[in-house]
Amino acid sequence: KNEVEQSPQNLTAQEGEFITINCSYSVGISALHWLQQHPGGGIVSLFMLSSGKKKHGRLIATINIQEKHSSLHITASHPRDSAVYICAANPLIQGAQKLVFGQGTRLTINP
Amino acid sequence: GAVVSQHPSWVICKSGTSVKIECRSLDFQATTMFWYRQFPKQSLMLMATSNEGSKATYEQGVEKDKFLINHASLTLSTLTVTSAHPEDSSFYICSARDGRGWGTEAFFGQGTRLTVV
Repeated sequence: KNEVEQSPQNLTAQEGEFITINCSYSVGISALHWLQQHPGGGIVSLFMLSSGKKKHGRLIATINIQEKHSSLHITASHPRDSAVYICAANPLIQGAQKLVFGQGTRLTINP
Repeated sequence: GAVVSQHPSWVICKSGTSVKIECRSLDFQATTMFWYRQFPKQSLMLMATSNEGSKATYEQGVEKDKFLINHASLTLSTLTVTSAHPEDSSFYICSARDGRGWGTEAFFGQGTRLTVV
């Protein structure tokens, strides 16, 4: 079992729908990152969380440290949101800067 | 925000030749950079941690003589794939943290798609 698990692995939705991607982890962490990888391969850091909730535009990320769970929400989804979304954890037991990655969620938003 | 620039974005080379990939932090100093490899539809696989002024730390199963890493300055790390073979064809991407410790964002280069023919 991976230390960081994402669900769903694939998600297809219609434009305008509310999207939720989940991330569960099994180790103690110091921070959790949400990343977006576009079809060309480039990766953008969306959020870094250690507690609570963060919002940026139509994106919202939450984390529950006790339940070892984080979610990424996209409101009013748009075809340009189509990408692979990856959660990555900073485990407490490993080197301070190493990340452990989830498998990614491939999101497709149809017009 | 901080920017990490990776070059080239794609390269095609002949089997047996070597290829160098550069990763630069443009507006911050990165004492540590990370090199990843990604196969199609799979997650990132950490290859090595590049430390400025010292030897890189390689992950288990990664050949250090094949994947040479040099981190000569606080803003530049290079990955050289030596004597490349078709099985080395992959997407390589670097990452750097803006600062020390865990409480810093991770920034990624644009990635390099290597094709060995």
